[in-house]
Parts: sequence; C-alpha cells; structure tokens
Amino acid sequence: AQTVTQSQPEMSVQEAETVTLSCTYDTSESDYYLFWYKQPPSRQMILVIRQEAYKQQNATENRFSVNFQKAAKSFSLKISDSQLGDAAMYFCAQDSNYQLIWGAGTKLIIKP
Amino acid sequence: EAGVVQSPRYKIIEKKQPVAFWCNPISGHNTLYWYRQNLGQGPELLIRYENEEAVDDSQLPKDRFSAERLKGVDSTLKIQPAELGDSAVYLCASSLGLAGGRTIQETQYFGPGTRLLVL
Repeated sequence: AQTVTQSQPEMSVQEAETVTLSCTYDTSESDYYLFWYKQPPSRQMILVIRQEAYKQQNATENRFSVNFQKAAKSFSLKISDSQLGDAAMYFCAQDSNYQLIWGAGTKLIIKP
Repeated sequence: EAGVVQSPRYKIIEKKQPVAFWCNPISGHNTLYWYRQNLGQGPELLIRYENEEAVDDSQLPKDRFSAERLKGVDSTLKIQPAELGDSAVYLCASSLGLAGGRTIQETQYFGPGTRLLVL
C-alpha cells in the first residue's frame, strides 16, 4: 500500500528563521505528484506547493520551497523567513490512483 | 471568485440521529471530493464525483453513509444513523477535472469543513 510519512508531529521555529518539514513516501509509480497543504486552526486546507515527479527542478513559491529527492522518495518543505501566519498543520500528500494519500501532519509553531 | 462553500460549520447531534452536510464547489469544477478528517490525522477520502457520477466510493461506509450530487454541482453527504465514531471534520473539495486527463494532478480546493460531534 502507498504510504506517506511525516516523522515530525510538531516543529517550532523562531519568527524570521528557516524551518524544514520532512516527508517520505512509498510508491511504485514513476509519474506522480506531491503536495504540501497547510491547515490553520480555522481548518481551511490550502495548497502551499506541488511538485511533479518527472521534473527534476525543485518547486518554489515565494518563501516556500521543496527539496525533492526522487530516488530517496523524500519531499521536504522549507519555509524561509517564518511568519506568525505560517503557524498551522502541514500535510504532505501524494497522488495515487486518482486519490491523495496523506501524511499524518506536522504542527508548526512560530515563536515570536 | 467564491471558494468551496460548506454548511453547516458545526453540528452536534445525538447518536442514532441523521445528519446531512452540504457542499457547493467552485463554479466550473467538475470533480468533487468528500473527506473525513479525524483529530490529528490527515483527510481520508470518502467519495469522489466526476460531474454527477460517483467514480470512487470504495471507502464510503455504505451501510450508513450516502451521498449525491444532483446536476453535477452541489453535493450532499448524509449519515443515518450517526454513531459516536462518526465525530470528525467532514471536508469537501473540488477541482477542475479535465476531461480524459488525470484529475488528481490538479489542485484540490477545500472548503472550511463541517465539524460533527455525536453525543
């Protein structure tokens, strides 16, 4: 079965610092997509960034970037210049057979 | 552009009672998803619609859960009767759903969810 693992239940970072959230996945597919979603306490799930597996270049979206290691099946999210508004649950997900396989999430705490 | 709308935001019911959740996807989005999210976990897909057709309901507990998407727009998810273990957040999401393509590669846009508490 396909699995997505987020090994950090909780992470904290000082405001303006950089933090990296880890994600590993297990798939036998060669063509797939990976996503990071953010879910603030209000519960609205928001897409942060996505990566297409066939692209070697790491995706970036402003302060958010990924380190995609296809051979290692690793997909970490780096948040630069952390802001208070970044505090949320972060979920890693991989598409498989027309559905998303989700990790358990990492709670990100921003210290002012 | 309006996002995915869900109602109600909160619902408290006693076990064995029925409950229904409503979702209005983003205009023009053909694919609609219902997820259940338990506390501290990622979402779990319940059902996926392509227009009005339920193309994946393999994880929907059909003995008590039902869903419909009339006219391929709004959708309703129903639980009857509700059990204590159904307490969770029910999320609706939608995506464009390109005809003939892999819909999952498109971004899924989520609604705010409905928090259900069964007493």
